[in-house]
Formats: sequence, structure tokens, C-alpha cells
Amino acid sequence: GAGVSQTPSNKVTEKGKYVELRCDPISGHTALYWYRQSLGQGPEFLIYFQGTGAADDSGLPNDRFFAVRPEGSVSTLKIQRTERGDSAVYLCASSLNGGTETQYFGPGTRLLVL
Amino acid sequence: DQQVKQNSPSLSVQEGRISILNCDYTNSMFDYFLWYKKYPAEGPTFLISISSIKDKNEDGRFTVFLNKSAKHLSLHIVPSQPGDSAVYFCAASPNYGGATNKLIFGTGTLLAVQP
Repeated sequence: GAGVSQTPSNKVTEKGKYVELRCDPISGHTALYWYRQSLGQGPEFLIYFQGTGAADDSGLPNDRFFAVRPEGSVSTLKIQRTERGDSAVYLCASSLNGGTETQYFGPGTRLLVL
Repeated sequence: DQQVKQNSPSLSVQEGRISILNCDYTNSMFDYFLWYKKYPAEGPTFLISISSIKDKNEDGRFTVFLNKSAKHLSLHIVPSQPGDSAVYFCAASPNYGGATNKLIFGTGTLLAVQP
């Protein structure tokens, strides 16, 4: 079946603009995760959804970052007033039920803030 | 503060030989560990995992060893193949069976297997 998909694959924006990044998890997966990978680093946890609710948003760096999953499937990561330091690859992962279930990653969205 | 450390940014191995990738962690609350492999322009792909109640887990050519007292784990690939060339990330989770299982990743090791 289809894996995790993310759109767009690349996004270039200007400092101060608003961006939305989309994640389509594997069908039937209740758990969804967002990570951010900066150059030379490993993925860094941002937020975890179980169903429609954000069960853990402790990784969001500040209030410019927000994520939703209104119907328990597709998720959107929203970044307001983008800064150059937000440039990174944003990765989405899903797992069947959370816990120790394997997290399957999408290819990521490469965000560049000029 | 880096809780999961991969001190070797790169490793080069001859085809057919053993590749050993190392990982250290600092948080004694971590009780579930994973290795992911990543090719360029793709997301990380799960490779193998181990819980803290074990000291070894094997899956085909891949074996993960866990030394809890040393807070150290390693991934052995034998025999290494050119297709194994990728970045390998070690990851840890503080909540085995818990609510989130967010993963905390190391910085990765680039493995190059020479034909």
C-alpha cells in the first residue's frame, strides 16, 4: 500500500511569510508524528498526534509553530512569520497505534526561508 | 544537550566485511532503542530495534547489541554490501509501552561500503 506522503516536496519562502506543510499518513494509522531535521543533525521531535488530538507538543520550538489533524488522518504543520532558522527538512511519520509500533517516515518537505 | 550521540560522522568498509556503527546515550530512562537507515532525498527507514530487557537482537545481516551499564549500543552489519551505503541514525525512546514513544535521534553516521 501507499506510504506516508508529504507535500510539497520543496518550499521556498521569504522571511516573515506563512507556510503550511501537509502530511498524509498511512491509511489506518492512528499515530502521527512531526520531526524537523536541520543540516548535519538527526531528526528532532516536534509533535505527536493520537487520532485528532495532540498528545505531546513538547517539541514545538515556539508559538509560531502549530499543527492540526482535524479528522484524524491528514495533518498540517503551520509556521507563522517564518525565520531563516526555520530552514530544514520537515519529516512526518505515522504508526499503527503509537507506543512502540514502528514509525514510518515520509520523504519530507525541504523548507528554505530566504 | 545531545542525549543520543553518534561520535563517528562517517565510516568506510570493504564489501563483505563487517560494519560496526556505535551509539551512546546519556538518559538512563531510555528503554527502547532503534536504528534507522536513510538514503538521500528519502525519509528514514526502520531497520531494527531492541528493548532494554535484552542485550542483543538479530535480524538477518543486522544485529544490535545493547550495553545498559555503559549506555552504549552498536549495530553490526555482516557481510556489508554496497547497497548498505547510507546514513544510519540511532534513536532512543523514553517510554516503552508508554503514551508517545517520540524518538530522540543521534546525528547519524554515513556508511560507505566499497565494492
